[in-house]
Amino acid sequence: AQTVTQSQPEMSVQEAETVTLSCTYDTSESDYYLFWYKQPPSRQMILVIRQEAYKQQNATENRFSVNFQKAAKSFSLKISDSQLGDAAMYFCAYLTYNNNDMRFGAGTRLTVKP
Amino acid sequence: SAVISQKPSRDICQRGTSLTIQCQVDSQVTMMFWYRQQPGQSLTLIATANQGSEATYESGFVIDKFPISRPNLTFSTLTVSNMSPEDSSIYLCSVLPMRDYGYTFGSGTRLTVV
Repeated sequence: AQTVTQSQPEMSVQEAETVTLSCTYDTSESDYYLFWYKQPPSRQMILVIRQEAYKQQNATENRFSVNFQKAAKSFSLKISDSQLGDAAMYFCAYLTYNNNDMRFGAGTRLTVKP
Repeated sequence: SAVISQKPSRDICQRGTSLTIQCQVDSQVTMMFWYRQQPGQSLTLIATANQGSEATYESGFVIDKFPISRPNLTFSTLTVSNMSPEDSSIYLCSVLPMRDYGYTFGSGTRLTVV
């Protein structure tokens, strides 16, 4: 079974600074997708960034980037120039090519200090 | 990507009663997924709902407690039956319109059982 592990229940960052959220996963599949979702207090799950496992290049979306290490099964999220609006729960998620139910990590609560 | 309208956004219910949550999608999708998110926790899949067939429930979830309807390709309901305070959670519906982009989520229903 695939599992997703987020070892940091809580993280804190100063506004305008950079923070990295960790995620590891366990799978025997070679083809899959990885995602980071943000869940602010509004409860809405918002896709932040995605990565296809066959792509070696790390995905980047504006201030958000990932460090994808396939051999190590690691998928960390880096948030640069942190803003107050980045404060939320962040979930790492995994989806295979052949199955449709997404697996989520336990989440990391990010606090941004002004 | 798809847009999901989920209702109600929140409710406070008496124990022993039932609540039906609705999700309407703006496009046709084969599968819809229902998740539970207990306070401070990650997302747990309750069931997968296919149009024209019975929902597939995950371990620990049963149809008598969480009956699901899927009358067409754009709509689904989840009922939480005979509620107890332990059912107090956020309930989320989601769809997978394009695997590359992961799930699209409804805005969630915050249920409090008193």
